[in-house]
Amino acid sequence: DADVTQTPRNRITKTGKRIMLECSQTKGHDRMYWYRQDPGLGLRLIYYSFDVKDINKGEISDGYSVSRQAQAKFSLSLESAIPNQTALYFCATSGAGGQQFFGPGTRLTVL
Amino acid sequence: GQNIDQPTEMTATEGAIVQINCTYQTSGFNGLFWYQQHAGEAPTFLSYNVLDGLEEKGRFSSFLSRSKGYSYLLLKELQMKDSASYLCAVSPNTGGFKTIFGAGTRLFVKA
Repeated sequence: DADVTQTPRNRITKTGKRIMLECSQTKGHDRMYWYRQDPGLGLRLIYYSFDVKDINKGEISDGYSVSRQAQAKFSLSLESAIPNQTALYFCATSGAGGQQFFGPGTRLTVL
Repeated sequence: GQNIDQPTEMTATEGAIVQINCTYQTSGFNGLFWYQQHAGEAPTFLSYNVLDGLEEKGRFSSFLSRSKGYSYLLLKELQMKDSASYLCAVSPNTGGFKTIFGAGTRLFVKA
């Protein structure tokens, strides 16, 4: 079984809709992250959490919110989706060594 | 500011050697990572350097010079399956293990 899972894997939605992307991990890591990836821009950090009680904004948090429901679960919400949020979204975890373990990604299209 | 630069694209021949360079300017330094990412898939960890010098792992090696803010990834005996993007990433010593990613280098391996 995969160590980091994301649901859904693909999602098409309309402008103004609220959507949630979910991430679960079985690696036992405290640190979890949400990134978006756009062509030519690489991975950009949206939010990160170093434990259940710790939530921090990344470089592009506007328009997004997160919830750390448990050590193993970290969800990303778009309260009112807009077309420029169309991207590939990755959840990741890391342990003490800093190496990141990524989920398979969610491809989101906002029409 | 935080900045990581790497070439956008490179092309090499099957069986050859290719070197992918990365330069970085970050507010702190707690290690440099290289990840491989095939199109549409999640990044996967290749190597980690925290001290100056060369780290070798099979066909892949990674070099770091902290004084120059410079790293390279060396791929030997190239195979067609090595066609992928290679992401250079730096963990600054501020913010814990939050990682900053470069935009990635797309490597095309031709027969």
